[in-house]
Amino acid sequence: DAGVTQSPTHLIKTRGQQVTLRCSPISGHKSVSWYQQVLGQGPQFIFQYYEKEERGRGNFPDRFSARQFPNYSSELNVNALLLGDSALYLCASSSLQGFSGNTIYFGEGSWLTVV
Amino acid sequence: DQQVKQNSPSLSVQEGRISILNCDYTNSMFDYFLWYKKYPAEGPTFLISISSIKDKNEDGRFTVFLNKSAKHLSLHIVPSQPGDSAVYFCAASDTGGFKTIFGAGTRLFVKA
Repeated sequence: DAGVTQSPTHLIKTRGQQVTLRCSPISGHKSVSWYQQVLGQGPQFIFQYYEKEERGRGNFPDRFSARQFPNYSSELNVNALLLGDSALYLCASSSLQGFSGNTIYFGEGSWLTVV
Repeated sequence: DQQVKQNSPSLSVQEGRISILNCDYTNSMFDYFLWYKKYPAEGPTFLISISSIKDKNEDGRFTVFLNKSAKHLSLHIVPSQPGDSAVYFCAASDTGGFKTIFGAGTRLFVKA
């Protein structure tokens, strides 16, 4: 079975541009979360979606937005890119929502470089 | 506000010995705890978890211990192998699992 898949794997954008990152969850998983990881830090929570609705949001500016589609895939959009947005963006999926013991499984990530 | 803290940025252990990675948390609402392993240029891989109703969970060479009163958990790897060299992240979530919060990670070096 395929794991969490993300695209693109690497991309370079210019300051002020917009970027869209894509994620397909593990088959059967209905929840998708997005994380940002910068060098030397742990993954920072951005969003969680379940059944196409936002269920959690981290401390990120409104330039960050996301959505989940009927097939449970998801997109993360970042507008007006800043140099500080350069990071590894991780998507994770899980099968449970509203229960204790929700294990999330990560994809390989999308490396974004803003120049 | 760091709700999950891994205070040791790195740890070096001899092959065959025990590796102990530590993690502290501040939010008493957390009731599920996880450990992930990350190699360079890869996403984090789930390793082992523990519910707050337990104080120990074991899976092969990996054991996680939870001390709720101290808000502390640890991951024991025994015996350590060179292939265990990676960054280990501690994570926690509350009932509902609406978001999983990660520590900054500990880089483990296992020397042959």
